Amino acid sequence: AQSVAQPEDQVNVAEGNPLTVKCTYSVSGNPYLFWYVQYPNRGLQFLLKYITGDNLVKGSYGFEAEFNKSQTSFHLKKPSALVSDSALYFCAVRALYGGSQGNLIFGKGTKLSVKP
Amino acid sequence: EAGVAQSPRYKIIEKRQSVAFWCNPISGHATLYWYQQILGQGPKLLIQFQNNGVVDDSQLPKDRFSAERLKGVDSTLKIQPAKLEDSAVYLCASSLVAAGLAGGPGLYNEQFFGPGTRLTVL
Repeated sequence: AQSVAQPEDQVNVAEGNPLTVKCTYSVSGNPYLFWYVQYPNRGLQFLLKYITGDNLVKGSYGFEAEFNKSQTSFHLKKPSALVSDSALYFCAVRALYGGSQGNLIFGKGTKLSVKP
Repeated sequence: EAGVAQSPRYKIIEKRQSVAFWCNPISGHATLYWYQQILGQGPKLLIQFQNNGVVDDSQLPKDRFSAERLKGVDSTLKIQPAKLEDSAVYLCASSLVAAGLAGGPGLYNEQFFGPGTRLTVL
């Protein structure tokens, strides 16, 4: 079955420290992978995507993600966290087969909390 | 550029009542999606429209949920009758063309999300 797993419900980081939000996927073939961020009372905002090419993808607000095919992972990273990065982060994979082909399958989300 | 608009932002109803949500996608976006996001979970696709036609409604509970996009622009999602487990945030998203129909590998049109409607069923 196609799925995305975000193993951490919450990640706590001190401001200025590097952050990592983990994501692993399960899908046959070459995956299309995405990260979205959700601030309170707002819709999801697109951060970055991996379709093909370089394994390191750079996105909005200084975030980047590394695609690792052997580990089936797509972890989100930022070298120096800001308090304003505190939000809910969702990893998603494009469904490649089945009734939802082409649509996004989301993980359950990871709450990032950055303390001053 | 105006984003995806949704209304109302919040709605509280009692079980067995009916409710409707409205979405206006980004101008020119052919594809419109409705997602259900239950607290503590990621969004789950309910239905996808390409212009005014349904592309995928495999996860829509059709005994109580319905959606339409009559003129290929605005869309409404209705629940009748509502159940307690329908309490969730209902997200509308749009994209230029449908993911998967964008011309093949390497091409993908991001989905842009509205702020959502938070439904509470008592």
